[in-house]
Amino acid sequence: DIQMTQSPSSLSASVGDRVTITCQASQDISNYLNWYQQKPGKAPKLLIYDASNLETGVPSRFSGSGSGTDFTFTISSLQPEDIATYYCQQYDNLRTFGQGTKVEIK
Amino acid sequence: EVQLVESGGGLVKPGGSLRLSCAASGFTFSSYSMNWVRQAPGKGLEWVSSISSSSSYIYYADSVKGRFTISRDNAKNSLYLQMNSLRAEDTAVYYCARDWRIQHIDYMDVWGKGTTVTVSS
Repeated sequence: DIQMTQSPSSLSASVGDRVTITCQASQDISNYLNWYQQKPGKAPKLLIYDASNLETGVPSRFSGSGSGTDFTFTISSLQPEDIATYYCQQYDNLRTFGQGTKVEIK
Repeated sequence: EVQLVESGGGLVKPGGSLRLSCAASGFTFSSYSMNWVRQAPGKGLEWVSSISSSSSYIYYADSVKGRFTISRDNAKNSLYLQMNSLRAEDTAVYYCARDWRIQHIDYMDVWGKGTTVTVSS
């Protein structure tokens, strides 16, 4: 099974800050990685697919990069509406989610 | 409007069974693979099971293999999850999610609001 390790598990940042989340796969998954946003009490929402492609309608302050085993998710300028938990998810072999990163406003 | 609506959740005793349903509308259900994803209280997302558009390919997470059965009825635009031998650790919100797949790209692009399953005596 492929394990996905996200870090940090939580972070607190100010509005306008650059926020970076990392996701590491236990084996090479090429670009087969997606990022989701989940707000409290809501279903997850796709933000980034295939490691670096922005889903239609998602603000350009969100971005993703990486390949192989190491991936990065970035919010270039944190906004109040970005308060949520973010998950990476691999689809190279079945599907596995990372444990999530809770983003809060300082 | 593309929509997925889950139902069938509830309170069940350990060892019991429950059948979840997911009604799809607004898209050609028979053209898409589908998934079940769950989230235990205060925990992260866990993929549970996937089924291809024609039910030819079915996959399960190790945590539910042998206890859960995914199925679909394309004529009724519905996805199902039969859950047997339920355990306390199966307590979660269960989401159905559509699979968007093109070439090597694969992601869950439409999600329902979820149905809550509680396993407790």
